[in-house]
Amino acid sequence: EVQLVQSGAEVKKPGESLKISCKGSGYTFSTYWIAWVRQMPGKGLEWMGVIYPGDSDTRYSPSFEGQVSISADKSITTAYLQWTSLKASDSAMYYCARRGDGYSDFHFWGQGTLLTVSS
Amino acid sequence: QSVLTQPPSASGTPGQRVTFSCSGSSSNIGSNTVNWYQQLPGTAPKLLIYNNNRRPSGVPGRFSGSKSGTSASLAISGLQSEDEADYYCAAWDDSLSGVVFGGGTKLTVL
Repeated sequence: EVQLVQSGAEVKKPGESLKISCKGSGYTFSTYWIAWVRQMPGKGLEWMGVIYPGDSDTRYSPSFEGQVSISADKSITTAYLQWTSLKASDSAMYYCARRGDGYSDFHFWGQGTLLTVSS
Repeated sequence: QSVLTQPPSASGTPGQRVTFSCSGSSSNIGSNTVNWYQQLPGTAPKLLIYNNNRRPSGVPGRFSGSKSGTSASLAISGLQSEDEADYYCAAWDDSLSGVVFGGGTKLTVL
């Protein structure tokens, strides 16, 4: 059974750094692209970027390039989303999702990681 | 303002057929496949339709998708109360080099 299990909810202060994780299991982790999707409170879905764990090829949405870093460690079948200096506007739910054969078909999703940034 | 345009709300009664529209442009829907997601309250999105009209295993046949030109549609027949959710369309955008989502349509089952 394919599973993506994300790290738990976080409460951080502005300016702090953070790395959240997404552990894949039940499939060959290195051969499927993993995407990160943001959902701000009461809002829709936003694609942040995607990584191919096999060679760490990474693509970012222009809206998120330079704001976050996406990485993966295929040895422990885990993808990451990282911030170096959080802002209150980063408060949102973050989902990881496994892509299928197309560019925008995400067949499996993590349960989400809720990030709250507040002073 | 989302790149793909969806009506913010829709409603129907149990047993009815409802459709959702998703409007884009030549750089996204016009040249790439469309996928639909269902997000039940408080849960992660779930893939409902991929590659314009294909259903993942486990998705009931009363959900169907279609695409024509720069627009796509999702239809639900035999509406059920558990279908009350937010529905999002998504496609790759060649100009933005990224995935774009619609703003979502909130379905209320009356």
